[in-house]
Amino acid sequence: KAGVTQTPRYLIKTRGQQVTLSCSPISGHRSVSWYQQTPGQGLQFLFEYFSETQRNKGNFPGRFSGRQFSNSRSEMNVSTLELGDSALYLCASSLGLRGGSQETQYFGPGTRLLVL
Amino acid sequence: DQQVKQNSPSLSVQEGRISILNCDYTNSMFDYFLWYKKYPAEGPTFLISISSIKDKNEDGRFTVFLNKSAKHLSLHIVPSQPGDSAVYFCAASNAGNNRKLIWGLGTSLAVNP
Repeated sequence: KAGVTQTPRYLIKTRGQQVTLSCSPISGHRSVSWYQQTPGQGLQFLFEYFSETQRNKGNFPGRFSGRQFSNSRSEMNVSTLELGDSALYLCASSLGLRGGSQETQYFGPGTRLLVL
Repeated sequence: DQQVKQNSPSLSVQEGRISILNCDYTNSMFDYFLWYKKYPAEGPTFLISISSIKDKNEDGRFTVFLNKSAKHLSLHIVPSQPGDSAVYFCAASNAGNNRKLIWGLGTSLAVNP
């Protein structure tokens, strides 16, 4: 079974620009979560999408947004980029079982974003 | 406020010996704990998990121990191998926060031949 894929792997943007990152989950997984990883803050949860709806949200400003398509693929958008947005953006997929079920998230390789 | 803490940023052990990575948490509502391993330029790879109804879970060379009263868990790797050299992250979740994973900052493990 193919793993989680993310595109692009590397990206360089300048301040003020916007960027869209893409994530394709493992086949059959309906939940996609996004994380930002920086050296000082570790992995910070951005949001989770399930069945094309945002199910959970972290504490990031509205410049960070996402969406999920009917095939469970997800995109993350960051508008008006700031230098501090430079980070590794990770996507993780899981089955998305309901009822607070304990399940494991599987990660993609990440997109390394550098904002100049 | 760091709800999941990995107080050792790095750890170095000899090949063949035991590696013990520690993790503390503050939220008593956490009921599911996971360990992930991360190599440079790759996403985290799931290693092992434990539910709060257990105090031990074993998978090959990897064993996770959970002490709920101390709000502490540890990952034991026996025997350690050079390929185990990576950053290890502890993460926790609970149904009350919709299973949002809360992460520690990681411990960098170096296994020396």
